[in-house]
Amino acid sequence: SAVISQKPSRDICQRGTSLTIQCQVDSQVTMMFWYRQQPGQSLTLIATANQGSEATYESGFVIDKFPISRPNLTFSTLTVSNMSPEDSSIYLCSVRLAGGRYNEQFFGPGTRLTVL
Amino acid sequence: AQTVTQSQPEMSVQEAETVTLSCTYDTSENNYYLFWYKQPPSRQMILVIRQEAYKQQNATENRFSVNFQKAAKSFSLKISDSQLGDTAMYFCAFMKYRGAQKLVFGQGTRLTINP
Repeated sequence: SAVISQKPSRDICQRGTSLTIQCQVDSQVTMMFWYRQQPGQSLTLIATANQGSEATYESGFVIDKFPISRPNLTFSTLTVSNMSPEDSSIYLCSVRLAGGRYNEQFFGPGTRLTVL
Repeated sequence: AQTVTQSQPEMSVQEAETVTLSCTYDTSENNYYLFWYKQPPSRQMILVIRQEAYKQQNATENRFSVNFQKAAKSFSLKISDSQLGDTAMYFCAFMKYRGAQKLVFGQGTRLTINP
């Protein structure tokens, strides 16, 4: 496995502002992903963070709302832009490790976002 | 598109009992992976067990085992000798063998182990 950290662990934000969430991994990874978990719900993939190129977004998620960067193999950021209360969720990054078996994905501890 | 269904929103058992969580899925793929993840109140997602669809043998990890029925598209998780620390949300997840590596999750089952 790997140690995956996310910053911040939680935040309370005002409507209309933006928040950038960081994900750092202590091992080489091949793929990084960002998921959203709305209150009491399951996880939904937002996008795949690609190193050196634009992220690949899932249906219903757009770059203007959720810009993603991945400047190197072990670090990625997700920005939640122009926030509204509907964006209140847990945001999790996950990674597939280089040399990992069976396409396993490991998750960070999540960032709990509350938008007022 | 793939879908994953967990029909038990909540379950509760006594410590040391055995419990089985259900999961069904729908896909046209022949090769794929299935996973069970655990999310305790700390919200950290933890991989519990995985199954490759091309393997007929059911996966086992200590007290956790699966019953994989490919024809029925069923993938249940059995927890033996349940412990208080098993209290968590459990998510069943599907991933294609090739192509997009995204996980498709079920709705989750909230499992409570009572002392």
